Amino acid sequence: NAGVTQTPKFQVLKTGQSMTLQCAQDMNHNSMYWYRQDPGMGLRLIYYSASEGTTDKGEVPNGYNVSRLNKREFSLRLESAAPSQTSVYFCASTAGPEKNIQYFGAGTRLSVL
Amino acid sequence: SQQGEEDPQALSIQEGENATMNCSYKTSINNLQWYRQNSGRGLVHLILIRSNEREKHSGRLRVTLDTSKKSSSLLITASRAADTASYFCATARSGTYKYIFGTGTRLKVLA
Repeated sequence: NAGVTQTPKFQVLKTGQSMTLQCAQDMNHNSMYWYRQDPGMGLRLIYYSASEGTTDKGEVPNGYNVSRLNKREFSLRLESAAPSQTSVYFCASTAGPEKNIQYFGAGTRLSVL
Repeated sequence: SQQGEEDPQALSIQEGENATMNCSYKTSINNLQWYRQNSGRGLVHLILIRSNEREKHSGRLRVTLDTSKKSSSLLITASRAADTASYFCATARSGTYKYIFGTGTRLKVLA
């Protein structure tokens, strides 16, 4: 039981490049989330998916797109990376609205030059 | 704007002492949660307290919630060097899935 798996762990991009961060959970959870964490800051919600087939914007969605591919997988895409998107990205999942405990992946450290 | 704000931002104590950190939030909530983050790692859930609860214990952790003041505190008793980490509170506005995390308290426990 791996929990929440994020790939890649590290990535360096040049300004304007695109990439997709992958997240998969094997806990049969309904809801999935993408956050970013900047140095010395808490987590800020980028997008979330309350259930398979639905996605919604969080606090800082600009510059990102998401896809809830199936119940297990929730990907985050940067279409044209900018230095301001240099951050650590975390994926999380919860069982559903009444089960609020979030399980986090290990994170993806992204640098945009 | 972030809903949760932790206080203090950083805390340094000796092993065996108690550590207290506080969290304030802005809107009505269903529950409040505390998470720990070790350096370079993802967050790990510690404890959840529901809006109709005032105090909850889990091992060396004690959490209180004052909904009238929109605040919570996390007490770690008899701290250990392994407790060195950042601690975050998280809330979701009633009826939503959007979790808001505070800026965190960096705790350092000196052996």
